[in-house]
Formats: sequence, C-alpha cells, structure tokens
Amino acid sequence: DTAVSQTPKYLVTQMGNDKSIKCEQNLGHDTMYWYKQDSKKFLKIMFSYNNKELIINETVPNRFSPKSPDKAHLNLHINSLELGDSAVYFCASTEYYSYQETQYFGPGTRLLVL
Amino acid sequence: SQQGEEDPQALSIQEGENATMNCSYKTSINNLQWYRQNSGRGLVHLILIRSNEREKHSGRLRVTLDTSKKSSSLLITASRAADTASYFCATADDTGTASKLTFGTGTRLQVTL
Repeated sequence: DTAVSQTPKYLVTQMGNDKSIKCEQNLGHDTMYWYKQDSKKFLKIMFSYNNKELIINETVPNRFSPKSPDKAHLNLHINSLELGDSAVYFCASTEYYSYQETQYFGPGTRLLVL
Repeated sequence: SQQGEEDPQALSIQEGENATMNCSYKTSINNLQWYRQNSGRGLVHLILIRSNEREKHSGRLRVTLDTSKKSSSLLITASRAADTASYFCATADDTGTASKLTFGTGTRLQVTL
C-alpha cells in the first residue's frame, strides 16, 4: 500500500487555467508538505501543514493555495497557471515536533504548462 | 536561499567501485539527512546524522559530518547498478521551526556494469 500518494501523476494544461493536485498519506503523520522541483532538480519547500494548520509558508505566489481538509490530506490549488509553474510537485509527510524525523515523499506530479 | 551545495554534480563509476559525494551547507543545523531519488520517482530517505555525531553507517552507506567545516560526505561502497540515482543532502535547522528541510543541489550517480 502506498504511504504517500498524489494525483494526478501527470498534468498538462494551458496557461491561465486553474488546476489542483491532491495528496494523501496513510502513515498517520501529523505534518505534510508541498515541495517544488524545477528542471535543474532543485527541490524547494513551499508549504507545510500540521493537523490542518499552516505552519510553513515560504515565498510562493498567492496563486498557490494549499488546503488541508484533514491531517491525512493536503491539496494544492494553482490559479492562473504560468509557464514558470512547470515543474514536479512533491508531497511529503512526517511525524510532528520530532527534530530527528525523516520525511516520506510521494511519487510526484509532473505539471507542464503550455 | 539555497542551503546545501553538492559536489560533484555528476559522478560516473563502474559497478563494485566506491562512490563519494559531498555536501556543504551555510548555517547551523540540527541534523543532516541524505535522500535518494530514482529517475521519475519521489525521494527516499537513506540516513540521518545528528549535529553531535561525526560518522554513521547503514549497510553500504557511510556518512560523515564535520560541523566546523559545515560539510558532510556520503560514501557508497561496492556500488551496484541499482544505486544509479540522484542523491540529495538536506539540512534541518535548529531555529525551532518544526520539520523544515533545506535540500542541496544533488549529485547524479551513474553506476555502469
């Protein structure tokens, strides 16, 4: 059984559209994240939620809006998609308030904006 | 800003040889972690070393940490073709911010038969 799953795996869309990516974890973790990996493989944190509460919000355009309906789900909605949004988006989860923790990553969603 | 930088950017070795990759970082850390990413897949945690540790082993992996130089190295011994992947270091800071990892630029390892 997949620990951290994301849908869709691939997303091809036109500039200006609005799209959502979904993430679910069945590990019972309290904290979830969204990362963006660009074409040079640089991985950067975007958001982190703990028990449905936003705890990390990096400098991300406000076109990106995360939403956590419960602690097992963290979705990412992107408005008015731009070419520069093309990247691989990874969801991850971890146990909270453990500074020795590791993160468990989903398989990624490959977004291509045309 | 980007925390870690890894060196080399790419490494090609033959099966059976050892692979060493290095990571440098800029600020104080709580721990440093290494992750592997196979092509087209998510990252998988390999090993974690705490700031008060200098060396750690896990199977064929050996990690060192030098906090005075703000650097770490990952050694993979007796490499296999299946070790072909990108390897990333990630630092967890000690500012009290929960669970924030900052990733390096990655080393692409190619192990040939």
